[in-house]
Amino acid sequence: QVQLQESGPGLVEPSQTLSLTCTVSGGSITSGYYWSWIRQHPGKGLEWIGYIYYSGSTYYNPSLQSRVTISVDTSVNEFSLRLTSVTAADTAVYYCARYEMAAISFDHWGQGTLVTVSS
Amino acid sequence: DIQMTQSPSSLSASVGDRVTITCRASQGIRNDLGWYQQKPGKAPKRLIYAASSLQSGVPSRFSGSGSGTEFTLTISTLQPEDFATYYCLQHNDYPFTFGPGTKVDIK
Repeated sequence: QVQLQESGPGLVEPSQTLSLTCTVSGGSITSGYYWSWIRQHPGKGLEWIGYIYYSGSTYYNPSLQSRVTISVDTSVNEFSLRLTSVTAADTAVYYCARYEMAAISFDHWGQGTLVTVSS
Repeated sequence: DIQMTQSPSSLSASVGDRVTITCRASQGIRNDLGWYQQKPGKAPKRLIYAASSLQSGVPSRFSGSGSGTEFTLTISTLQPEDFATYYCLQHNDYPFTFGPGTKVDIK
């Protein structure tokens, strides 16, 4: 059974860079899925940030595109999120998720990690 | 961006009730829609994909229908574990966009 686990700092200072990693276990990150980041502001709805294929091709939400980078490291079965120039508006629970293209949906999710932007 | 709306935004229901949630897209999205259930403090869980296909392991009391711009999620007989927030998500065009959610709570 595939499992995803987010890791990274829970507190980031304003104007700094948010960096998170998602470790994939129980399956290979090169197995033909897209690997995604999704966030949820406290008490609010869900926002898709973007995704990456193991080959490195990416697609980002245009609302964040200028600040976001998603990368993949197949040697350690991980993918990562970098979000630059963060503000309090980036405070959210960040989820990593696997996107199943055949079923056009997110079939496995990490548990989520809260990142607070504050000085 | 394709805008997704859901109605109602919340509802109160009793165990055993039939519950229907509607999701509308601002433009046609074929059947490129999924439904997700989220409980407090937990990640969303896929219930339905491709508008009407039931995720393996999800109880058959959940069903989805629709195509184009209007979709529904139906819970035929509400169970205690079904009290949660439900989101629709369109995958037809980038960026993928979620509906604002429908919270189902106990009457």
